[in-house]
Formats: sequence, structure tokens, C-alpha cells
Amino acid sequence: DAKTTQPNSMESNEEEPVHLPCNHSTISGTDYIHWYRQLPSQGPEYVIHGLTSNVNNRMASLAIAEDRKSSTLILHRATLRDAAVYYCMLINAGNMLTFGGGTRLMVKP
Amino acid sequence: NAGVTQTPKFRVLKTGQSMTLLCAQDMNHEYMYWYRQDPGMGLRLIHYSVGEGTTAKGEVPDGYNVSRLKKQNFLLGLESAAPSQTSVYFCASSWAGAVVGNEQFFGPGTRLTVL
Repeated sequence: DAKTTQPNSMESNEEEPVHLPCNHSTISGTDYIHWYRQLPSQGPEYVIHGLTSNVNNRMASLAIAEDRKSSTLILHRATLRDAAVYYCMLINAGNMLTFGGGTRLMVKP
Repeated sequence: NAGVTQTPKFRVLKTGQSMTLLCAQDMNHEYMYWYRQDPGMGLRLIHYSVGEGTTAKGEVPDGYNVSRLKKQNFLLGLESAAPSQTSVYFCASSWAGAVVGNEQFFGPGTRLTVL
């Protein structure tokens, strides 16, 4: 199974952009890149997903490298409510979500 | 819509006791999942179901059984609880499989302690 690598933790200041990286050098051509986040004491929630092109939604943007071996989740203006663990995952046909360690994002006021 | 709900929210069991965790969703989703999350770790898939009457094993199925008798409900059973099953259990549902990009909706979790 294709795996992802994320930094254990990152810090950001409130109202500044945050770029959360994810490396997936063994990604296959049909793997989708999914991002979920988990706020303290809550279940995970979907953030965004993509295949090849960059994606934007109300929560975030997903920038995917041209070779698809890495991607970056972009929070345009971090708020205190964005403090969470962010999980990057690769999904292919028949596979299920596989949560790794994720990146713990801390947002400073 | 209530989304995904889980019952109970907390439970303490003694080793060897049995219990059933209930997950209910009101979104008419076909797929449902049970995960466990141990402290400081990501979620691991226990069992899942791709439709009413079907179940399949996930990454860590041993010691658990599941049933999907109704589309909206997914039950997780522990026949003989062990301290290693102390964890937070999350249920999730989705309209279809992840490959088509359908997001999973998670419940609030059940915190289980086995003494």
C-alpha cells in the first residue's frame, strides 16, 4: 500500500496562512489524495480530496505536485478552531481510509 | 439531520464482559465503518459494511463482531472484553467507497475502558 509521510507537528500564528505538507512518493496513478482533520475529543472530519489538479473548497485548498509525489494542504487564514491533527491519506479502488500519525497543528493567538 | 450518532458515549467494562456499541446514521449511506483510536495514534479500521446485510474485516478485526441488519444501523460487539480493547471507538458512514471521493462522516465516539 502507498504510504504518506507528514511532519509530526507544526505551529502557526492566528490569521496567517498554513501550509501542511504530505509526501507520497510511491503514489500510483489511480490513488486519490484525501485530507481529514480531527479536532480535540471529536471524530475526524473530511477536509478535501484531489487526484491530479489543485482543488479549492470552503475549508481549504489542496495543491498537488505535478509528479503527484507530494501535496500541500493550505489553510488560507488559520484560526484557533483550526488547531487539530491533520491526516493525509491515499485511497485507491477497494481500499479504505488508512490513518497514519498525522500532523498536529497548533495555532497561536 | 442528526448525522452519525453513537451509543453509549462512555462505558467501563470488566475483563470478560460483553457489550454492543450502536451506530446509527440518517443520511441513507450505503457504507458504514467501525474504527478504534488508541492514545496518540491514528484510527484503525476494525470492520466495515458496504450495504445492508454485508460486513467485512478491516485492519484489526480480532475480538470484535459486527452486524448490519438495517441500513441505518451498524453494531459492534465485544463478546469477551479485554484490557487491550480499551480505546475510543468511532463509527463512520459514507454514500459510496472512498475511491469516488465520497467523504466519510464520523460520529462523536465511544470511550471504552476495560478493567
